[in-house]
Amino acid sequence: KAGVTQTPRYLIKTRGQQVTLSCSPISGHRSVSWYQQTPGQGLQFLFEYFSETQRNKGNFPGRFSGRQFSNSRSEMNVSTLELGDSALYLCASSAESTGELFFGEGSRLTVL
Amino acid sequence: AQKVTQAQTEISVVEKEDVTLDCVYETRDTTYYLFWYKQPPSGELVFLIRRNSFDEQNEISGRYSWNFQKSTSSFNFTITASQVVDSAVYFCALGGHTGGFKTIFGAGTRLFVKA
Repeated sequence: KAGVTQTPRYLIKTRGQQVTLSCSPISGHRSVSWYQQTPGQGLQFLFEYFSETQRNKGNFPGRFSGRQFSNSRSEMNVSTLELGDSALYLCASSAESTGELFFGEGSRLTVL
Repeated sequence: AQKVTQAQTEISVVEKEDVTLDCVYETRDTTYYLFWYKQPPSGELVFLIRRNSFDEQNEISGRYSWNFQKSTSSFNFTITASQVVDSAVYFCALGGHTGGFKTIFGAGTRLFVKA
């Protein structure tokens, strides 16, 4: 069974640009969550999608958005990038909201 | 509000020593879930265990054991006879329904096991 796939794995952007990250969950998993991991803040919850609906959102500004498609694949977008957005963005899928999370390898974003 | 505290930032042990990683949580939910994840140097987070709030039985899996105590809101993780391959960052996490279900993570404990 294929794991969670995130693309791209690495990317470099400049301030003010926008970025879109993609996540393909494990087949059959309908819940997809996104986390931001930084050395200073640890793992911060961004949002969770289930059956194309955002069910929960963390405390991030509106520049961070996401969506989920009918095949459960998810994307997250960060607009007007800031230096502080440099981080590892992790996607996790789950068979049920209360179940264990299966993480992808992450997308490492560097903002210059 | 939900909160997970892992007070130990880094722990260093010598191989074969036992080590306990502490986790204290806060939640107002009556039903919640506790997790431990491992993040090895390669980077990918790996699930280790899930407990629900109604199941306080301790669990043992090989060299790993978990002690869940609701009275002290703690969910500690012990590695017996540690090995170099146990070197990783370990995260305790809490899943609850307040404001919509989400899983939040503690800051993590970095474990170094020296040969």
